Amino acid sequence: GESVGLHLPTLSVQEGDNSIINCAYSNSASDYFIWYKQESGKGPQFIIDIRSNMDKRQGQRVTVLLNKTVKHLSLQIAATQPGDSAVYFCAEIGSGGGYNKLIFGAGTRLAVHP
Amino acid sequence: GAGVSQTPSNKVTEKGKYVELRCDPISGHTALYWYRQSLGQGPEFLIYFQGTGAADDSGLPNDRFFAVRPEGSVSTLKIQRTERGDSAVYLCASSVDRGADTQYFGPGTRLTVL
Repeated sequence: GESVGLHLPTLSVQEGDNSIINCAYSNSASDYFIWYKQESGKGPQFIIDIRSNMDKRQGQRVTVLLNKTVKHLSLQIAATQPGDSAVYFCAEIGSGGGYNKLIFGAGTRLAVHP
Repeated sequence: GAGVSQTPSNKVTEKGKYVELRCDPISGHTALYWYRQSLGQGPEFLIYFQGTGAADDSGLPNDRFFAVRPEGSVSTLKIQRTERGDSAVYLCASSVDRGADTQYFGPGTRLTVL
């Protein structure tokens, strides 16, 4: 079935460094992908999204890259800050139905050290 | 403005009991989703409402789970004869309408079945 997974369960970085979080997806028909940030005790918070007709999209300190050939997503965070510490999920929009059923991966925990 | 709210934030119950979890979506959002998140995992889709009707309940694990949204706003997730395996965080999300991409999540209800 459809699935979205992550390569690295935990990522530790120094404050100020750039972070890269990776994600693989299995459904080549998916056309919309989202990165969410989840802090302890809170619900997922939207960070950035990308459609399949794009390879790259930039936001404030974040960039998402999409490689459809190998079905791979990455989230790049520039100048990582302690407040970026959280679990990051990539999510894929399930196909069909005209609505947005999110399919999440297991998540990567980002730990930022001073 | 106010985001998605969920009550209670925590619920502890005994095996076999009945529980209700409430979700108040963002005002004016017609689409509402329930997800379940087990420890260390990404959220998993349970059910989607468009207005008052459940457009897709394919994620409900069994017939002990039921959800309603009688007036197209507040939704209640109901679990009968709870089991220890039902312990998880139950997340609610809403979006502007069917096909709208950004789902806004509430903080979740942590259900513990003893």
